[in-house]
Amino acid sequence: NAGVMQNPRHLVRRRGQEARLRCSPMKGHSHVYWYRQLPEEGLKFMVYLQKENIIDESGMPKERFSAEFPKEGPSILRIQQVVRGDSAAYFCASSPNQVSSYEQYFGPGTRLTVT
Amino acid sequence: GQQLNQSPQSMFIQEGEDVSMNCTSSSIFNTWLWYKQDPGEGPVLLIALYKAGELTSNGRLTAQFGITRKDSFLNISASIPSDVGIYFCAGQGKNRDDKIIFGKGTRLHILP
Repeated sequence: NAGVMQNPRHLVRRRGQEARLRCSPMKGHSHVYWYRQLPEEGLKFMVYLQKENIIDESGMPKERFSAEFPKEGPSILRIQQVVRGDSAAYFCASSPNQVSSYEQYFGPGTRLTVT
Repeated sequence: GQQLNQSPQSMFIQEGEDVSMNCTSSSIFNTWLWYKQDPGEGPVLLIALYKAGELTSNGRLTAQFGITRKDSFLNISASIPSDVGIYFCAGQGKNRDDKIIFGKGTRLHILP
């Protein structure tokens, strides 16, 4: 019974490059959430997706960031033209459905370092 | 927007001591959650609280949903070395669409 999987675990990008972070939810979960965590901070909500739909992207920067959760395959968080301030841990969580959206199970995170 | 204040920011205790941390909100939550995060890992849900006044235990952990619905606390009894980590409170508002808001965490250190 695999949990939430994220890859890569660590990602180093130079300024201006693109970063792609992947998240495979738990089996049977159709809701995915992305969070960002800065050092010494809590998790900040970025985006909430269901299959092929963005439900809430109110926490995502308007530029350079995008997310998708296609019908097949993992959810992708994409950061274009990365800057040093994008360096953070990015966590994905999944839940079975919206009713139990508080039952979010987190992946191990992707630690993005922008040099 | 909704904000959570979690305290203390960090704690240094001796093994075997009891620990208490709390979280307060500027607005009402319908659900309070407590997570633990180990270094290099994602948060793991410890306890979920759904009703004001509810007191729930999970082993040596006990959490309560405050009567005002604006606060919650977590107690850990008889701490052991593996309790080290960051404890986050989180809350969700009254609407199902409300996103979960996280506190900044309490860092628990256990002195040898």
